[in-house]
Amino acid sequence: DVKVTQSSRYLVKRTGEKVFLECVQDMDHENMFWYRQDPGLGLRLIYFSYDVKMKEKGDIPEGYSVSREKKERFSLILESASTNQTSMYLCASSLGRTQYFGPGTRLTVT
Amino acid sequence: SQELEQSPQSLIVQEGKNLTINCTSSKTLYGLYWYKQKYGEGLIFLMMLQKGGEEKSHEKITAKLDEKKQQSSLHITASQPSHAGIYLCGADARPDNYGQNFVFGPGTRLSVLP
Repeated sequence: DVKVTQSSRYLVKRTGEKVFLECVQDMDHENMFWYRQDPGLGLRLIYFSYDVKMKEKGDIPEGYSVSREKKERFSLILESASTNQTSMYLCASSLGRTQYFGPGTRLTVT
Repeated sequence: SQELEQSPQSLIVQEGKNLTINCTSSKTLYGLYWYKQKYGEGLIFLMMLQKGGEEKSHEKITAKLDEKKQQSSLHITASQPSHAGIYLCGADARPDNYGQNFVFGPGTRLSVLP
């Protein structure tokens, strides 16, 4: 079974803090993705990576950065968290085109 | 850009009833995917359809793809409370990519009353 894990299910941070969200997959997948999910807006792609150290911006990269130093791990970084980054963050990985998702991290920025 | 619409937006059924959820694309489909999301959790991959007329089943869930209509339907037979959740369709907006052009529908919220 494909397994994608995320470091935290729930996270509460303060405005201005630097936040790290970690995602690990155990299936040797090439591609990894970070989405955020908001009511009424659905899932939106923040960044994706198609190989180690390779990354590309998605639809809403502003305020975020990513890191992929190892194939199995894809990190999302909020350089200076803001309240409008309060959201559900979902990580996914894929080998072909089917994406497999982690359990999500619900981030609240106060 | 490609958009996916789902209908209905929400659905409440009695346990044991059959139901259908539809997903319609504004553009050509290059693969249609169905996911289920339990409230506050991640997405669980259900099945993928690629060819027109294709039909796949998993337990009591059947999905079909009508390529000409750019539409897919998800049918649940004899629904159970365990089927409750949000069903999302997703599609590749382009045939050759890493998945970065994947789009999702807004979801259909299903409640099954015991």
